Amino acid sequence: KAGVTQTPRYLIKTRGQQVTLSCSPISGHRSVSWYQQTPGQGLQFLFEYFSETQRNKGNFPGRFSGRQFSNSRSEMNVSTLELGDSALYLCASSLDPTGSYEQYFGPGTRLTVT
Amino acid sequence: QQQVKQSPQSLIVQKGGISIINCAYENTAFDYFPWYQQFPGKGPALLIAIRPDVSEKKEGRFTISFNKSAKQFSLHIMDSQPGDSATYFCAAVRRGNEKLTFGTGTRLTIIP
Repeated sequence: KAGVTQTPRYLIKTRGQQVTLSCSPISGHRSVSWYQQTPGQGLQFLFEYFSETQRNKGNFPGRFSGRQFSNSRSEMNVSTLELGDSALYLCASSLDPTGSYEQYFGPGTRLTVT
Repeated sequence: QQQVKQSPQSLIVQKGGISIINCAYENTAFDYFPWYQQFPGKGPALLIAIRPDVSEKKEGRFTISFNKSAKQFSLHIMDSQPGDSATYFCAAVRRGNEKLTFGTGTRLTIIP
């Protein structure tokens, strides 16, 4: 089975712009979660989607949003980019949100805001 | 509030030695504790995980020890190899919630 894929892998944006990142989960996985990884804050949970519905949300401002499509693919959007949004954005998918808890991560999208 | 505390921040171990990384949690609602391994430029990879109803789980050279009363768990890497050099994260999650709460990470270096 193919793993979690994320596109693009690298992105450079200017402050004030917006950006959309994409994630394709492992085939059959219906839950998709997003995390932000920075040297200072570590790995922080952004949000989780299951069956096109956001079920959990972390402590991030409303500039961070996401959605999930009927094929379980997910996108996250960051509007009005700030320098502090520079980070590795990771997507993780899991098979059974009520049981296994095993989450598998993609390679991430490295976002640099200048 | 940091709910999962991880130590040490960095660790250097000789090849063939035992690497030990410790984590402590606060929220007793957590019921699943995975460890992830991350290489530079890669996403975290699930290494091994444990539920609180067992005290130890072993997979190859990797062992998790779990102490429910102390709310602590640890990763032991036996016969550590240079290829084990990576950053290791402990995490915790509770039933019905997909949010992984991560520790701060341990950068492990195995020297020849």
